[in-house]
Amino acid sequence: GQQVMQIPQYQHVQEGEDFTTYCNSSTTLSNIQWYKQRPGGHPVFLIQLVKSGEVKKQKRLTFQFGEAKKNSSLHITATQTTDVGTYFCAGAGSGNTGKLIFGQGTTLQVKP
Amino acid sequence: NAGVTQTPKFQVLKTGQSMTLQCAQDMNHNSMYWYRQDPGMGLRLIYYSASEGTTDKGEVPNGYNVSRLNKREFSLRLESAAPSQTSVYFCASSRQGGYGYTFGSGTRLTVV
Repeated sequence: GQQVMQIPQYQHVQEGEDFTTYCNSSTTLSNIQWYKQRPGGHPVFLIQLVKSGEVKKQKRLTFQFGEAKKNSSLHITATQTTDVGTYFCAGAGSGNTGKLIFGQGTTLQVKP
Repeated sequence: NAGVTQTPKFQVLKTGQSMTLQCAQDMNHNSMYWYRQDPGMGLRLIYYSASEGTTDKGEVPNGYNVSRLNKREFSLRLESAAPSQTSVYFCASSRQGGYGYTFGSGTRLTVV
């Protein structure tokens, strides 16, 4: 079945440093979504990428979808303590079921 | 706007007991989902309902059943709880096609 792998599992950075998490799918995706979960909280939707090679930005966050629609990345520029949490990618296969397969997540710790 | 409401928030069960986790959404979403979250495993799909009147198995359906009671409500039942079902359970909903899940706040279940 479809699998979504995400690396690294953990990342500790100094405030102000950049951060990147990578996501790879075993199958071609119709779209990929990114979520953020704060400690003790629930996942919150950040963005959806649909087109091959798509790049979207949200302030300091840059999201990319690979040309083959099998990989994606999230890059945070100049991290802040408010960026702390776990970032998940989630891939949607073909069909219109709406179901997402989530990666294992990358937990970001930011040292002030 | 309440969004997605899950009850209960916490539950302790003895092995072999049964219980139902409730989920309701007030966003007029067609699709609803149940995920479980375990450390290092990300979010794994248990069951989903692409639209009212339909349910389908996800990645880890064994030991669970679901009911899509109406468009708003999607419940998850554990018939005979096992310690391996100790987890945090999240309900989510989305528009048809799965764009941008809205998650509930979760149910933390411990089976002893």
